[in-house]
Amino acid sequence: GQQLNQSPQSMFIQEGEDVSMNCTSSSIFNTWLWYKQDPGEGPVLLIALYKAGELTSNGRLTAQFGITRKDSFLNISASIPSDVGIYFCAGLNSNSGYALNFGKGTSLLVTP
Amino acid sequence: DGGITQSPKYLFRKEGQNVTLSCEQNLNHDAMYWYRQDPGQGLRLIYYSQIVNDFQKGDIAEGYSVSREKKESFPLTVTSAQKNPTAFYLCASSTHDRVDRGYTFGSGTRLTVV
Repeated sequence: GQQLNQSPQSMFIQEGEDVSMNCTSSSIFNTWLWYKQDPGEGPVLLIALYKAGELTSNGRLTAQFGITRKDSFLNISASIPSDVGIYFCAGLNSNSGYALNFGKGTSLLVTP
Repeated sequence: DGGITQSPKYLFRKEGQNVTLSCEQNLNHDAMYWYRQDPGQGLRLIYYSQIVNDFQKGDIAEGYSVSREKKESFPLTVTSAQKNPTAFYLCASSTHDRVDRGYTFGSGTRLTVV
């Protein structure tokens, strides 16, 4: 599958700070998904995006489907210690078949 | 409650031994997947199955084998041919017609080969 470019690779922030991460691809995607993986667990779906320009929120999390359809962004506002984990983006297009294409993840550490 | 169960959570094996990781789902999903996760490497697809008795190789299938005899079950065997088997293994499932709703992941099996 195609590997997405996700950045930053890691972030170390203080509680209360806002966080931004993004994911880019050389191909157009029809669907963008954002997952969070707690340490030692499997990823859990946070947000799904289906339309270019779409902005969707889930609590303190907001994600956007880029206008070019080649990128997506995830923002976390007022971070808390339980936000610690790895955040993955995933994309799906007509060439993917059943297989999601995943980014390498952004590792987030939050200090109290 | 529906979900996907991986067992065991931790597995230790001696080098040269085959080992089988279990994955069971009661979500009535058609498709199932196995991923390998190494630090900083993201999720790499090993095998996937869209339907019972059928499966396809992913990006890193060498040294692994699978079977899909039942819709609910997709076990992964790590063979002695896998040169670096120590990793975190994730199983996932999805519906056949709405993959865009994403995968449901299990909680993973950490395999350590000594």
